[in-house]
Amino acid sequence: EPEVTQTPSHQVTQMGQEVILRCVPISNHLYFYWYRQILGQKVEFLVSFYNNEISEKSEIFDDQFSVERPDGSNFTLKIRSTKLEDSAMYFCASRGNSPRPNEKLFFGSGTQLSVL
Amino acid sequence: QKEVEQDPGPLSVPEGAIVSLNCTYSNSAFQYFMWYRQYSRKGPELLMYTYSSGNKEDGRFTAQVDKSSKYISLFIRDSQPSDSATYLCAMSPSAGNKLVFGAGTILRVKS
Repeated sequence: EPEVTQTPSHQVTQMGQEVILRCVPISNHLYFYWYRQILGQKVEFLVSFYNNEISEKSEIFDDQFSVERPDGSNFTLKIRSTKLEDSAMYFCASRGNSPRPNEKLFFGSGTQLSVL
Repeated sequence: QKEVEQDPGPLSVPEGAIVSLNCTYSNSAFQYFMWYRQYSRKGPELLMYTYSSGNKEDGRFTAQVDKSSKYISLFIRDSQPSDSATYLCAMSPSAGNKLVFGAGTILRVKS
């Protein structure tokens, strides 16, 4: 069964450092998302990406965050200068074109980011 | 008032019990309602997807939406230890919009 793959599963970094979280969406999907979940809190939307541009972003997704689809298979989230409060599980999700798109949204297993 | 409210539990039930999980919401624009299951260190996995008010059944799972009360439920019949997980409700105002999640309810089914 196709799946969304995220690497690394765990990332530890020092405050102020740049991190790149990587995702390989399902191969024929066109819409890509990042969500995050701070420990003990709800899953929160960060950004959606379609046709090589951001289609929607949340208030959390400030200038420190960026997304990129550098080639035909990867989708990345970059945090330029990490803060302690960026520590969270980051989930990538993808979907194709569908009459009921959210029914076909698939999540990866996440990258646990720890900022020290 | 939070946009989506969900009791975090934990909810502990014996094997074979009927489980009832619930969420309330405040945004009347929500039209699409989903239930996800999340195992430890894994991403959310879609269980049920419903549009507007009504019931939907899939095997041991039944989802109910009452838009007049802004209340959604997930029922699990004949619960199994393998159902032990965190259950997340999620909703959106349109079919492809970002999802707004509840905090999740931890369910433990004891054998």
